[in-house]
Amino acid sequence: GAGVSQSPSNKVTEKGKDVELRCDPISGHTALYWYRQSLGQGLEFLIYFQGNSAPDKSGLPSDRFSAERTGGSVSTLTIQRTQQEDSAVYLCASMMGRGSYEQYFGPGTRLTVT
Amino acid sequence: DQQVKQNSPSLSVQEGRISILNCDYTNSMFDYFLWYKKYPAEGPTFLISISSIKDKNEDGRFTVFLNKSAKHLSLHIVPSQPGDSAVYFCAASGTGANSKLTFGKGITLSVRP
Repeated sequence: GAGVSQSPSNKVTEKGKDVELRCDPISGHTALYWYRQSLGQGLEFLIYFQGNSAPDKSGLPSDRFSAERTGGSVSTLTIQRTQQEDSAVYLCASMMGRGSYEQYFGPGTRLTVT
Repeated sequence: DQQVKQNSPSLSVQEGRISILNCDYTNSMFDYFLWYKKYPAEGPTFLISISSIKDKNEDGRFTVFLNKSAKHLSLHIVPSQPGDSAVYFCAASGTGANSKLTFGKGITLSVRP
């Protein structure tokens, strides 16, 4: 079956502009996560959605970052007024649900802020 | 403060030999551990996992060992193949409501033909 997909695969934007990154999780997976990987670093948790529960936003680095998940499926991560330190690969993962641990990742969106 | 540490940034082994990738953690609340493999320009791929109630889990050429008292786990790949060359991430999950994964920085494995 189809895996997690993300778009765009690459995004170059000017400092100060807003960007939207999209994630389509595996069908039927109720949990969705956003992570980012900066150069030379591990994956850093950003935000988590589980079903209709309020999202866990504890990993968002600033109020410029926000995310939505519509209809329990597609998710959009928005970064407002981008800064150069936002440059990273943004990865989305989905998981079947509570009681599972294995998360399945998309290919990521490489964001470059110039 | 890094809760999951992969202290060696890289490892090079000969094809056919064993690869041993190490991972240490500091948070005793972690109860599930996973290894992910990542090729360039791709997302991480789940490889193998282990629950904290076990000390070993094996899947084909891949075995993960967990030493809870030492807060240490390792991934053994035997025999190593050139296609195993990738970045390997150790990740840990706690019993919290969101099962978020805490990742190490990764180790680059190179398997020489």
